[in-house]
Parts: sequence; C-alpha cells; structure tokens
Amino acid sequence: DGGITQSPKYLFRKEGQNVTLSCEQNLNHDAMYWYRQDPGQGLRLIYYSQIVNDFQKGDIAEGYSVSREKKESFPLTVTSAQKNPTAFYLCASSIGTGRGYGYTFGSGTRLTVV
Amino acid sequence: AQSVTQLDSQVPVFEEAPVELRCNYSSSVSVYLFWYVQYPNQGLQLLLKYLSGSTLVKGINGFEAEFNKSQTSFHLRKPSVHISDTAEYFCAVITPQGGSEKLVFGKGTKLTVNP
Repeated sequence: DGGITQSPKYLFRKEGQNVTLSCEQNLNHDAMYWYRQDPGQGLRLIYYSQIVNDFQKGDIAEGYSVSREKKESFPLTVTSAQKNPTAFYLCASSIGTGRGYGYTFGSGTRLTVV
Repeated sequence: AQSVTQLDSQVPVFEEAPVELRCNYSSSVSVYLFWYVQYPNQGLQLLLKYLSGSTLVKGINGFEAEFNKSQTSFHLRKPSVHISDTAEYFCAVITPQGGSEKLVFGKGTKLTVNP
C-alpha cells in the first residue's frame, strides 16, 4: 500500500546533539512538508519542498535543516541550535500545488530531549 | 495572510449526542477548506474537504461540514457521536493562488465523547 513512513516513532536527544528524522513516501507525490506539533499550538510549518533539490523555509525554520535529493525522501535534521526541540513531528506529502488535493500524513516522530 | 480560528479548544459530549466543532477562517479570496482528525500519537487523517460547488460536504465516519462564505465559516457536525470519535480535530485552509499549496491549520479542538 502507498503511504508515508516516518522513523523512528520515538527519538531521544541529548543536549547539543543533532538528530535526523526520516520521512519516505511511495505515493509519487511532488510536494513534501514538515510540521511541528505542540499541545494547544496546532501544526506549524517548518520546511516544505515542491520539487527535488528545492525547498523553502516555513514559519519556524530556525534550528532545523532539510534536504530533498530524491523525490521519495525528505529528511529533517534538528540541530543543536533548536533550543526547544521536544515535540511531535509530522511529515506530509501532496500530489501537487494549488489544486486542493490535501495532504497525506505520516504517523509522526516524537522527539524528546533528555 | 490566511489564518484559521477554531473557537473551542475542548468539546465534551455524551455518546449519541450531536456535536458541532466550529471553524472560522480569514481570507478575502477563494479558499479550499479541510477538516482532519488525529487520534492519539498518530498522524492526521482527512475527514472531508470543500473545493467548490455544494456548500454541504459529507465526509467519512458520518461527519459533514457546511461552507458559509458570508460568515467565513466551515463548521463540522455529526448528528450522533460514538466513543470512537474521541480525537483531536483540525480545520485547515489553502488559498489556491500562486501555485503554492501550503495548508494553514487551526490550533485544534479536542473532542471527548463520554459514555
């Protein structure tokens, strides 16, 4: 079945470490997105990519980095510059842009700083 | 910039009662509107969407929503809820212009269905 796979489901990070969250899709979708979810805050956009080798900052990109070397993969790195990284991270994809297809979401990665 | 306001952060109801989750958006141009549901520790699942046409949209699990352009609202309703409907619900909007499809989400409404 087609879908989005996020791994790992749970991740623990020590202070000062970089960690990378994986997001893979086999839906042949062009666009991919990373959101951060905090209780009572809804979903906030970190980065998005509309095509391979191109990506744009979202509303809260500071302390994060991404790459889009392959259409099916859009990994997110949480760097040590992100001061409050504990959150639930969601990856999503969509067929295209501007046509209301909506997003398909992965099941999320819960990151905790220890 | 677009924004979405979900007027209630928490809605408790009894099983088999009707429920309405309220959503208002701010945009002076045409929009696409969505409702998503999130069960604990899971991703979001699309419930329904409004793109154009009939203002009453039916979705999965017996939910429906009505687009009201004059009120800039897109409220979600279900005539009789089940315990399994307990989840968080998110309203979202896209402005279909400029070729950039970025969903803007509300802060969510936690629906708790009690026996």
